[in-house]
Amino acid sequence: QSVLTQPPSVSAAPGQKVTISCSGSSSNIGNNYVSWYQQLPGTAPKLLIYDNNKRPSGIPDRFSGSKSGTSATLGITGLQTGDEADYYCGTWDSSLSAEVFGGGTKLTVL
Amino acid sequence: QVQLVQSGAEVKKPGASVKVSCKASGYTFTSYGISWVRQAPGQGLEWMGWISAYNGNTNYAQKLQGRVTMTTDTSTSTAYMELRSLRSDDTAVYYCARYITMVRGVIISYFDYWGQGTLVTVSS
Repeated sequence: QSVLTQPPSVSAAPGQKVTISCSGSSSNIGNNYVSWYQQLPGTAPKLLIYDNNKRPSGIPDRFSGSKSGTSATLGITGLQTGDEADYYCGTWDSSLSAEVFGGGTKLTVL
Repeated sequence: QVQLVQSGAEVKKPGASVKVSCKASGYTFTSYGISWVRQAPGQGLEWMGWISAYNGNTNYAQKLQGRVTMTTDTSTSTAYMELRSLRSDDTAVYYCARYITMVRGVIISYFDYWGQGTLVTVSS
């Protein structure tokens, strides 16, 4: 049981847009910054979004992040087959004094 | 370019210990933390803890307290994670990651570079 809640899977057609939600509480998302990671099959996770909505150098602007209250959302536009991966949200939980992750969302590009 | 290169796969028996290394390059090692994250087969990410490469301070996940030790060797820019009293449910890929954390009223934290992962298999 993960501290942060993500949908197990989402899907959309190439070229379309998809959003992935991440729900938490006041001890984590509500009061700390959120990051998002992409894990392609068989590879290490890769940072996509940090500080709720910032993209590291090299991450295309097709990827965006937002936060409202105790929830965060990852948006991906112009979907490509290469975007098929697992996506994880993460943040610090001040009550647990630990980094916590969502359970991951598998994106399928149909 | 920032790189984290981890040691190779390990097979251990229940009750044994494992020590995984993570050699950093491409940045000033002591200016960042190193965190360890593991992923059991087919499962999600689990944070294990982190160590400040600046002063060696550590913060471990509560469920691993007493079994895990994280250290660094600043002379070789290498971080280590040792896990003792291994059980079958410790079988996982273990990742090191460069860890950014700061307090600006809120806590800002994220993992910006990751190692390639080390598979640790615990089996009798």
